[in-house]
Amino acid sequence: GQQLNQSPQSMFIQEGEDVSMNCTSSSIFNTWLWYKQDPGEGPVLLIALYKAGELTSNGRLTAQFGITRKDSFLNISASIPSDVGIYFCAGQLGAAGNKLTFGGGTRVLVKP
Amino acid sequence: GAVVSQHPSRVICKSGTSVKIECRSLDFQATTMFWYRQFPKQSLMLMATSNEGSKATYEQGVEKDKFLINHASLTLSTLTVTSAHPEDSSFYICSARQGSGEKLFFGSGTQLSVL
Repeated sequence: GQQLNQSPQSMFIQEGEDVSMNCTSSSIFNTWLWYKQDPGEGPVLLIALYKAGELTSNGRLTAQFGITRKDSFLNISASIPSDVGIYFCAGQLGAAGNKLTFGGGTRVLVKP
Repeated sequence: GAVVSQHPSRVICKSGTSVKIECRSLDFQATTMFWYRQFPKQSLMLMATSNEGSKATYEQGVEKDKFLINHASLTLSTLTVTSAHPEDSSFYICSARQGSGEKLFFGSGTQLSVL
């Protein structure tokens, strides 16, 4: 089946730094979604991308749908403590029951 | 965004008992809901697709008699873990699709601990 490789698996941030993570797939998707999950909670949708090449922002978050439709990245600018959490990318083909395929997640932690 | 309510948020049960988890779309109708399972520090694994008024579609390796899904109305899907065992302990999350759109909205999850 389809697999999404998300990197990095974890990263430490210092307040004010920019953060970047990406997902790559062995096959194409028609939609890319980025979610954030806090401990003990369900994922919350951050950004949805629907078209190859699309660049979308949501506050300090920016995400792009790769032109090959096999990758996407998420940037967080000027990080703040509440950015800590796990970020998941998810790809969706569209018609097939709209099932999502999730990446392995990027765990964002605060530098001690 | 749309609100999906999941209940209970945490349940502890004895081995051999059955546990029911509810997933409700509060401000929209959801013809399709999805059930996921998540182990610590891992990603979400799709268990089944729940369709209103019809049988659920289970992913490969998921026992349908073990994880009973009922989607009797456009706003409610339930997952029943039958005869739960310690290996069923996990975080279960539902999601609902609003209309025919691509966006899926998630419940807050249920932490199941089987003793």
